[in-house]
Amino acid sequence: GAGVSQTPSNKVTEKGKYVELRCDPISGHTALYWYRQSLGQGPEFLIYFQGTGAADDSGLPNDRFFAVRPEGSVSTLKIQRTERGDSAVYLCASSYTTRGELFFGEGSRLTVL
Amino acid sequence: GDSVTQMEGPVTLSEEAFLTINCTYTATGYPSLFWYVQYPGEGLQLLLKATKADDKGSNKGFEATYRKETTSFHLEKGSVQVSDSAVYFCALSDTGFQKLVFGTGTRLLVSP
Repeated sequence: GAGVSQTPSNKVTEKGKYVELRCDPISGHTALYWYRQSLGQGPEFLIYFQGTGAADDSGLPNDRFFAVRPEGSVSTLKIQRTERGDSAVYLCASSYTTRGELFFGEGSRLTVL
Repeated sequence: GDSVTQMEGPVTLSEEAFLTINCTYTATGYPSLFWYVQYPGEGLQLLLKATKADDKGSNKGFEATYRKETTSFHLEKGSVQVSDSAVYFCALSDTGFQKLVFGTGTRLLVSP
């Protein structure tokens, strides 16, 4: 597709459940980023990948959060034992290189009941 | 750590009015500065950027000047349109585009 695609667009789950959020970057973009945007806040950096490896995961809030990008394209953000405080919009972005402009997807809205 | 502070919204203007959205930052180094815009139902888009002091970023009639002495990067537009209604985010990065630090966003509402 032409832009960054994120699925699902909306996810409602119960506290304690496991969730996966998927990001399809723009074809040919080597860098991929995850951000989290809580209600009334700006996006906060979580992790970024250069190719298949996580180059910087310093923004992941705790070990319940994990992200992979096994083939250097699609990425999955995984959240274990979800908590109500995890409710937010999770944004994915990609760029041609790590020094290039980021292109954001529309986000996946996660609601933990 | 690095941080960005921007004016709270919503900012409500009539079409053709002058727009200013204030943004100030705190950073240890010499960051690059950005304005992003989020139109309803769309993802964040880069509006403009400036990479060093006194640089002026501009796009679509919007401008912002990197002021190191006042640690500011205020967004301006001389004549807003209804189609400019959106949420505007000021952001900085010490490492190019890799790790952006965003402000909380300012919603702009422009009425005909």
